[in-house]
Amino acid sequence: KAGVTQTPRYLIKTRGQQVTLSCSPISGHRSVSWYQQTPGQGLQFLFEYFSETQRNKGNFPGRFSGRQFSNSRSEMNVSTLELGDSALYLCASSFEGHLGAFFGQGTRLTVV
Amino acid sequence: DQQVKQNSPSLSVQEGRISILNCDYTNSMFDYFLWYKKYPAEGPTFLISISSIKDKNEDGRFTVFLNKSAKHLSLHIVPSQPGDSAVYFCAAMDSSYKLIFGSGTRLLVRP
Repeated sequence: KAGVTQTPRYLIKTRGQQVTLSCSPISGHRSVSWYQQTPGQGLQFLFEYFSETQRNKGNFPGRFSGRQFSNSRSEMNVSTLELGDSALYLCASSFEGHLGAFFGQGTRLTVV
Repeated sequence: DQQVKQNSPSLSVQEGRISILNCDYTNSMFDYFLWYKKYPAEGPTFLISISSIKDKNEDGRFTVFLNKSAKHLSLHIVPSQPGDSAVYFCAAMDSSYKLIFGSGTRLLVRP
């Protein structure tokens, strides 16, 4: 079965702009989580959506938001981009929670 | 405040020898601990997990040990192979299913 698909793979934006990233989970998976990976920081949890509801949220400012659709596809939005938002954004899907979650290849966002 | 710490940013091991990757945590309420492997330009891949009620879980060449009193877990890879060269992330899951990752350890297995 198809894996977790993230689009786009690469993105370059300028400061102040906003960006929307997309994640299509594995068919049948209801949980989608988003992570930010920066050098030296590892993966930091952004939020998790389960059946269209945000179930968990990490410690990121309100500029970071997300949503999940009825088909479990999820989008993440970052508004008023800052240089420090440059990172690899990963999404992970699982049926119920995080055990054995499958990750997508990520979207590499560069803010200039 | 980092709840999950991987204090070694890198590790180099000879092929065939044992690789030991370490991870420390601060929250005694974590339910599960997981290890992920990440190659460049790919998403992390789940490797192995352990429940907080166990002290060891083995899967082929990979074994995870959990020492709850020390709040420490380790991943042993034996024998190490060049294809194991990657960044390894340790993660802890709490009761709300939130995964908290360490900063990763880059493993290099030398042929």
